[in-house]
Parts: sequence; C-alpha cells; structure tokens
Amino acid sequence: KAGVTQTPRYLIKTRGQQVTLSCSPISGHRSVSWYQQTPGQGLQFLFEYFSETQRNKGNFPGRFSGRQFSNSRSEMNVSTLELGDSALYLCASSRDGTSVYEQYFGPGTRLTVT
Amino acid sequence: DQQVKQNSPSLSVQEGRISILNCDYTNSMFDYFLWYKKYPAEGPTFLISISSIKDKNEDGRFTVFLNKSAKHLSLHIVPSQPGDSAVYFCAARGRETSGSRLTFGEGTQLTVNP
Repeated sequence: KAGVTQTPRYLIKTRGQQVTLSCSPISGHRSVSWYQQTPGQGLQFLFEYFSETQRNKGNFPGRFSGRQFSNSRSEMNVSTLELGDSALYLCASSRDGTSVYEQYFGPGTRLTVT
Repeated sequence: DQQVKQNSPSLSVQEGRISILNCDYTNSMFDYFLWYKKYPAEGPTFLISISSIKDKNEDGRFTVFLNKSAKHLSLHIVPSQPGDSAVYFCAARGRETSGSRLTFGEGTQLTVNP
C-alpha cells in the first residue's frame, strides 16, 4: 500500500511569510504526528492529530498550528516565518496512535527560510 | 531540556565489525525505547524497540540493550554492512503519554566502510 506522502518536498520562503505543509497518511491510519528536524536537535515533536482533534502538543510557539481533515489528511501552518524555522518537517501516521511500532514517517518537507 | 541524548554525532566502523550506538535518557517515566534508521531524502524507519521491563531485545543483526539503573541504552549491529550507513535515532515514549508522541535524540551518523 502507498506510504505517507508529504507535499511539497522542498520550499523556500522569506522571513515574515507563512507556509502550509501537507501530509497524507497511509490509508486507514487516523493518527498523524508532526516533527521538526534540525541539525543537532534531532526530531522535535510538534503535535499529533487523531480523528480531526489535536491530541498532543509539543513546546512550539503559537505560530505553529495544524489541523486534520475528515479523510485524515493533515496540514501544518507556520506563520510569520523566522530564519530558525528552516528545517526538515516530518509527518508520521499510525492506525490509532497507540502502538509506537506502527508509526510510519513520510520523506519530509525541506523548508528554507531566507 | 534534552531528555534523550545521543552524545556521539558520528561513528565510523569497518565492514564486518560491530557497531555500537549509545543513547542516554533522563526521564524515568519512559516505558518504550525505539531505534530508527534514516537515509538521506527518506523519513526515519523503525528498526527495533525494547520495553522498559526488558533488558535485551534481538532481531537478526540488531540487538538493543537497556540499562535502567544507568538510564542508558545501546544498539549493537553485528556484523556491520555498508548498507547500514545511515543516521540512527534513539527515541522514547512516556508512560503517561496517550497517542504516539515520541522524544528523539539528536541522531548518530553511522558510516560502515567496505
């Protein structure tokens, strides 16, 4: 079956702009988590959505937001971009979010803020 | 605060020898530990895990050891192969966590030389 897809794969934005990233989970998966990966920081948890509701939230400012649609596709939005937001944004999907072994990651969206 | 730490950013070994990747954690509420492997331009893929009630888990060439008293875990790869060259992330899930939220380390770049 098809894996987790993320669009776009690469994005260049300017400071102060906003950006929306998309994640389509594996068919049948209802949980989508988002992570930010930067060099030296590893993957930092942003938030998790399950059945259109935010279930967990990491320690990121309010400029980072997300949502999930009825078909389980998820979007994350970053407003008023800063240079430090340059990172690889990964999403992961799982059936119901209770089994950590069944979390599958997408290839990520590489965001560059200039 | 970095609750999961991988103190070695890189490791280089010869093909056929053992690779040992280390991870330390501070949160005693973690109940599952996982290792992910990540190739460039791909998302992390699940490799092996261990529950906090065990001290060893083996899967083929991969073995994970958990030392709860030292809050330390390690991944052993024997024998190492050039295809194992990737970034390895250690991750942990909190016992109190609902959903699929994971806390990741910074990653270790493993290079296996032919």
